[in-house]
Amino acid sequence: NAGVMQNPRHLVRRRGQEARLRCSPMKGHSHVYWYRQLPEEGLKFMVYLQKENIIDESGMPKERFSAEFPKEGPSILRIQQVVRGDSAAYFCASSRNLPGQYPPSSDTQYFGPGTRLTVL
Amino acid sequence: AQTVTQSQPEMSVQEAETVTLSCTYDTSESNYYLFWYKQPPSRQMILVIRQEAYKQQNATENRFSVNFQKAAKSFSLKISDSQLGDTAMYFCAFMKEYGNKLVFGAGTILRVKS
Repeated sequence: NAGVMQNPRHLVRRRGQEARLRCSPMKGHSHVYWYRQLPEEGLKFMVYLQKENIIDESGMPKERFSAEFPKEGPSILRIQQVVRGDSAAYFCASSRNLPGQYPPSSDTQYFGPGTRLTVL
Repeated sequence: AQTVTQSQPEMSVQEAETVTLSCTYDTSESNYYLFWYKQPPSRQMILVIRQEAYKQQNATENRFSVNFQKAAKSFSLKISDSQLGDTAMYFCAFMKEYGNKLVFGAGTILRVKS
């Protein structure tokens, strides 16, 4: 059973360009989360999505950042007009719904290998 | 808001010995989940162990076990028979029941020496 897939693993962009990071969740998982890890820091939550829905984007910067999880295909984290401060590792995680629970609750999150973004 | 504190930035241990990593957290929730994740030099985040707050029994996974003290809001990780492959950054994380985001501590770098 393949784990969470992220690509690219490394991405270099110049200031002002766009960065697109992709995440394919584990088979059977319907929840996707994006986290950012700045150098020498822990991971910080950015956004939580289910198919075609953004559930919680409380950790997402208000400008330049957007995320989607379409009906078909991977989840995409998009950063427009990148700046040097966007340089970080971006991790995607996925989880499944815990059956029989209300309100719906998610299970343990499993992480992908991350995408390391470097902005020159 | 929940916070997670790891007060040991770095630790080292001799191969085959036991080491304990500390974690404390702050929350007003009564039910929640606690996790330890490992991040080796490859940077991959690997789940080590999970604890449900409503379970009194401490979780165990092979050489890894936790000491969960709910009243003290403490969640330490014990690694027995340390191996060179245990060298990594270890993160403690909190998730509230019916919540969907992990709150991470700043991490503890563990170095296992031969």
